[in-house]
Amino acid sequence: GEDVEQSLFLSVREGDSSVINCTYTDSSSTYLYWYKQEPGAGLQLLTYIFSNMDMKQDQRLTVLLNKKDKHLSLRIADTQTGDSAIYFCAEPNAGNMLTFGGGTRLMVKP
Amino acid sequence: DVKVTQSSRYLVKRTGEKVFLECVQDMDHENMFWYRQDPGLGLRLIYFSYDVKMKEKGDIPEGYSVSREKKERFSLILESASTNQTSMYLCASSSGQEPYTQYFGPGTRLTVL
Repeated sequence: GEDVEQSLFLSVREGDSSVINCTYTDSSSTYLYWYKQEPGAGLQLLTYIFSNMDMKQDQRLTVLLNKKDKHLSLRIADTQTGDSAIYFCAEPNAGNMLTFGGGTRLMVKP
Repeated sequence: DVKVTQSSRYLVKRTGEKVFLECVQDMDHENMFWYRQDPGLGLRLIYFSYDVKMKEKGDIPEGYSVSREKKERFSLILESASTNQTSMYLCASSSGQEPYTQYFGPGTRLTVL
């Protein structure tokens, strides 16, 4: 397909790990991004990964990149209620713009 | 830290009114963007600008125009607001250099009655 695709919804229990998946479109993308949007707010950059990396870890966040399958994932360890938000993956396109996925709403149950 | 501000968090306007949404960034970024966000549709690009007085149409420019008279400021204009323009509007900026990260403002939730 032509779109950056994500599942719409994920529900986990507090303390569990969350894995949010994304399929992107362009195998030559140099960077791939994860953004977080809390209720009523704008998007904030969580992390990005350079395409020559398979994995990037930043505290509770782990990004995995499978270039062959054009698959990106974001793992949040020890998920907290404050992690409840919408998570967007994005890839660059022509002109240094970004194409965003539709967003995955993460709900964390206490 | 990059700061992108938008003039209003919430705005209520009537059909047919002219609406101005303002966005200001403080990092001397070349690129600025306007998106709208609707449930189930994700983010859709309305207009973007690579430089002062330059503008390019995005995916859904109809019913909108923009103005960039100064580098730090990018305005979105709804010439005659309609109810189908009720949405969350997000402004972003980027330096245009790798890693091409875009930085977002807090958003303006516009309701057109």
